Amino acid sequence: ETGVTQTPRHLVMGMTNKKSLKCEQHLGHNAMYWYKQSAKKPLELMFVYSLEERVENNSVPSRFSPECPNSSHLFLHLHTLQPEDSALYLCASSQEGTVDYGYTFGSGTRLTVV
Amino acid sequence: KNQVEQSPQSLIILEGKNCTLQCNYTVSPFSNLRWYKQDTGRGPVSLTIMTFSENTKSNGRYTATLDADTKQSSLHITASQLSDSASYICVVRAISGGYNKLIFGAGTRLAVHP
Repeated sequence: ETGVTQTPRHLVMGMTNKKSLKCEQHLGHNAMYWYKQSAKKPLELMFVYSLEERVENNSVPSRFSPECPNSSHLFLHLHTLQPEDSALYLCASSQEGTVDYGYTFGSGTRLTVV
Repeated sequence: KNQVEQSPQSLIILEGKNCTLQCNYTVSPFSNLRWYKQDTGRGPVSLTIMTFSENTKSNGRYTATLDADTKQSSLHITASQLSDSASYICVVRAISGGYNKLIFGAGTRLAVHP
């Protein structure tokens, strides 16, 4: 385990379903991120939360809705998704403010939209 | 436009052989470059980090090189093992760009066969 835990590991949902992805970090970091990883494509930054405030929203469709109730937890609420939303969704955390911080990633949630 | 290009896209080698993965980037101004290893079904894990002034950095059988003048980096794997089968992602951090300052390559998928 890296210190960033994501659940569930796998999720299959219909286009009319509502589901949520959960991320928890045990590293005391002050920033958390959602990334989308599609096959053969670079990771795409979706949302950034710094000190529990959303500071970045990279033109993500409104069918993805993030929530950060505290500095250790991050959610991604999903509704009326499309098949092209099938991907690996990665959560990451980092400690902002240091000169050379790195990102610690969770194991991801493999999402399949049918 | 900040970009990171990796080659080859995929690679198959026999156990015990060496291999070299390439990363070319156009990110400027440049802060640092990391190589990540991503096992199937897992999130990326950092292998090495290199700043502008560093040419070589090793982590066990992994050796990364950086030529900041030509904006090229390589990851050399010595005496490959079956457990080296994974995707290797080059990530360049720009000095500016807000939370989009991490530029990800699409990765090289390495398969080590017995």
